[in-house]
Amino acid sequence: DQQVKQNSPSLSVQEGRISILNCDYTNSMFDYFLWYKKYPAEGPTFLISISSIKDKNEDGRFTVFLNKSAKHLSLHIVPSQPGDSAVYFCAASAKDFGNEKLTFGTGTRLTIIP
Amino acid sequence: DAGVIQSPRHEVTEMGQEVTLRCKPISGHNSLFWYRQTMMRGLELLIYFNNNVPIDDSGMPEDRFSAKMPNASFSTLKIQPSEPRDSAVYFCASNPSGQETQYFGPGTRLLVL
Repeated sequence: DQQVKQNSPSLSVQEGRISILNCDYTNSMFDYFLWYKKYPAEGPTFLISISSIKDKNEDGRFTVFLNKSAKHLSLHIVPSQPGDSAVYFCAASAKDFGNEKLTFGTGTRLTIIP
Repeated sequence: DAGVIQSPRHEVTEMGQEVTLRCKPISGHNSLFWYRQTMMRGLELLIYFNNNVPIDDSGMPEDRFSAKMPNASFSTLKIQPSEPRDSAVYFCASNPSGQETQYFGPGTRLLVL
């Protein structure tokens, strides 16, 4: 049972345009959400996060939006750059319940076309 | 800081053999996590330790898998006997207690023939 779902396995975006990656979750106990970025032959690296008390968090070109009622979050990258080509994983935790576990989605491979 | 260190980076073995994956977490991090990445299931948590004590091993697939953390700077994940379906990339991650952000190692790519 996949509690965190990334329904788009891949996405291609023109350089300079906006990339939007989506993530849905089913567990209402999740209260903290993270995005990780992964290059080939490397481990995932932390990108940006959001607590459930917020609906938006921004860091430079990266913005994460959270819609709790829809159990949906998205990552916006604007403008997209060739170096953004990677696999992006959405992850969730039930922080306030004292659980350190992160539950990951299956990832979306983003390709930025020059 | 060297980050999370994993060895070996690549392992090719034959079905039935024992495989041992190793991890050195970031110094000062209290929690350590073992994940497996496959195309079908993405990143799955296998087990995690806090202060060297296993907290949740519900993700360990079966008895062929075992993990230990004898001290704060070393952990092993062992598969005995290995099977072709165990072929995947295995990641180790660590974080300080109370922090959600986990820091991943480069992974071990395992191929069981």
